[in-house]
Amino acid sequence: NAGVTQTPKFRVLKTGQSMTLLCAQDMNHEYMYWYRQDPGMGLRLIHYSVGEGTTAKGEVPDGYNVSRLKKQNFLLGLESAAPSQTSVYFCASIGDGSYNSPLHFGNGTRLTVT
Amino acid sequence: GDSVTQMEGPVTLSEEAFLTINCTYTATGYPSLFWYVQYPGEGLQLLLKATKADDKGSNKGFEATYRKETTSFHLEKGSVQVSDSAVYFCALSARGSQGNLIFGKGTKLSVKP
Repeated sequence: NAGVTQTPKFRVLKTGQSMTLLCAQDMNHEYMYWYRQDPGMGLRLIHYSVGEGTTAKGEVPDGYNVSRLKKQNFLLGLESAAPSQTSVYFCASIGDGSYNSPLHFGNGTRLTVT
Repeated sequence: GDSVTQMEGPVTLSEEAFLTINCTYTATGYPSLFWYVQYPGEGLQLLLKATKADDKGSNKGFEATYRKETTSFHLEKGSVQVSDSAVYFCALSARGSQGNLIFGKGTKLSVKP
């Protein structure tokens, strides 16, 4: 049972380059989330999706775009990377969006923008 | 808005010492409360949760009690092991939040043999 899988695990970009982070879950979950983790900041929500074909902004959405074309996949895109986007990115999912249910997290993508 | 405040780290303890990591929250209504653990190089894993006042969550020797009167959810363990070395995050999920978690900044715990 793979759970939540993120690819790639590591990436180094130059300022201005673009890339897409892929999150895949095999639990048939409706809700998916992208967080970024920065030292001393905890995790902050970038974007989320409440079902296939839907997306919504979180706390820190600027500079990112997302798509949820298939229920099992949630893509995070950086169109023009900036050093401020150097971070560890985590994807998470949950079955029904209930506030009582815990999120399932992937192992993260460490992104460095030089 | 909703927020979570947890004690700053890092925390360094000797094996078998008692652990407390303080967590307080601000939220309207009655949120669910969680502790997550992050081992080096890994994602976050649920450690325990509590969904209503006076609930006690427990797992792997860790405990936390949902205290509505003090808006707290402190994490405790009676005897830590080297394998407990990790970063611990307190988090809340509010009704109507569509499952989104509000996290504290994390507390790094190092346990020395």
